[in-house]
Amino acid sequence: EIVLTQSPGTLSLSPGERATLSCRASQSISNNQLAWYQQKPGQAPRLLIYGASTRAPGIPDRFSGSGSGTDFTLTANRLEPEDFAVYFCLRYGTSPWTFGQGTKVEIK
Amino acid sequence: QVQLVQSGAEVKMPGASVKVSCKASGYSFTAYYIHWVRQAPGQGLEWMGWINPNSGDPRYAQKFQGRVSMTRDTSITTVYMELPRPTFDDTAVYYCARGRSVDILTTPPFDYWGQGTQVTVSS
Repeated sequence: EIVLTQSPGTLSLSPGERATLSCRASQSISNNQLAWYQQKPGQAPRLLIYGASTRAPGIPDRFSGSGSGTDFTLTANRLEPEDFAVYFCLRYGTSPWTFGQGTKVEIK
Repeated sequence: QVQLVQSGAEVKMPGASVKVSCKASGYSFTAYYIHWVRQAPGQGLEWMGWINPNSGDPRYAQKFQGRVSMTRDTSITTVYMELPRPTFDDTAVYYCARGRSVDILTTPPFDYWGQGTQVTVSS
């Protein structure tokens, strides 16, 4: 099983700043099968990025994903008030699929 | 439009079976896997497994082998997740989510989610 470790646990930023979130895998992830999700309290997660760098439909271009192998990054430029949430990475493809433990982006 | 609509909240005693449904609409039901993901209070997301709605074949995370059953009814485009003998640790919000296409593996994972079903196991 591939274990995903996200860092930092919490990121305290102000609106307009850039958020950089890390997701590190215990083994290399093939075919860049790494996705990112945003979750707000009381809501289901929302897909932001898949294939490590492909934005899902309707996702603003201030969100971008990068990385390969074992190290992946989600960047959110010019944070808007609605971007303050918890972000999860997901390794998909063959079973088992695994999630990172999440990074909370909070207002400073 | 694609929708996944789940059944309502459940409160069960330990050992009393609980079954959650997930009705899919707005797309070809048998063309996409359906997964189940749960979230314990204040915790992260935990993948439980998937079902292929076309064949009915499930695949479970090792942790849930023997503890969960995923089935489907193609006539009503509904997938079910059952915990036959839940314990207190199974208290969580359970989500169904559309996985990738059965035939095209480059489609995005979990692009649509159900609204979540709160399952509370309490004596």
